[in-house]
Amino acid sequence: QVQLVQSRGEVKKSGASVKVSCKASGYTFVNYKMTWVRQAPGQGLEWMGWISPGTVKTDYAQKFQGRVTMTTDTATNTAQMELRSLTFDDTAVYYCARRRGESCFDAWGQGTLVTVSS
Amino acid sequence: QSALTQPASVSGSPGQSITISCTGTSSDVGAFNYVSWYQQHPGKAPTLVIYDVTNRPSGVSYRFSGSKSGNTASLTISGLQAEDEADYYCSSYTSTSTEVFGGGTKLTVL
Repeated sequence: QVQLVQSRGEVKKSGASVKVSCKASGYTFVNYKMTWVRQAPGQGLEWMGWISPGTVKTDYAQKFQGRVTMTTDTATNTAQMELRSLTFDDTAVYYCARRRGESCFDAWGQGTLVTVSS
Repeated sequence: QSALTQPASVSGSPGQSITISCTGTSSDVGAFNYVSWYQQHPGKAPTLVIYDVTNRPSGVSYRFSGSKSGNTASLTISGLQAEDEADYYCSSYTSTSTEVFGGGTKLTVL
């Protein structure tokens, strides 16, 4: 079955960077785009962008342009999302999700809590 | 890209039906049949309950159904059960090849 397993939670200082990983199994990794979505405490879901493991093409939400980098490693079927210049507003649970075409996100990781502190 | 508009909360009694609306624009909901709905229980990751406006993934109860008219999509849950109490989010593909979520709706089963 399709599984997305994310890295453990992290605590970071304001101004630092964080890298969250997402290991995929149960399907052909290069055939599906990987999307990253975040959820601040008590808030809704926010789309951050996606990466195509097959073409390495990315598309980032305008809000995160210049501050986020999404990468994949097809040897280990792992996607990574790096967010730089962290502020308190970046405290959130970060999810990876498999994107099926333009249609939907049909599998989600368990989420990684990133806490930004002073 | 502005978030899609959902009611903050809806409620219903067991056995009743409820409908959650999701209003976008002619650049997202109105432009494509790529509206999906997600259920999220507290502390858990979202799960897909409806995709491509009306389709149910394998394993999702027939009590969940979706529709769309113009720039507004809707999720209907019939025969409400206690386990349906959760947050629900809509999502749409957009004309700029990005995605946008709704603000979320908290469903309370009375």
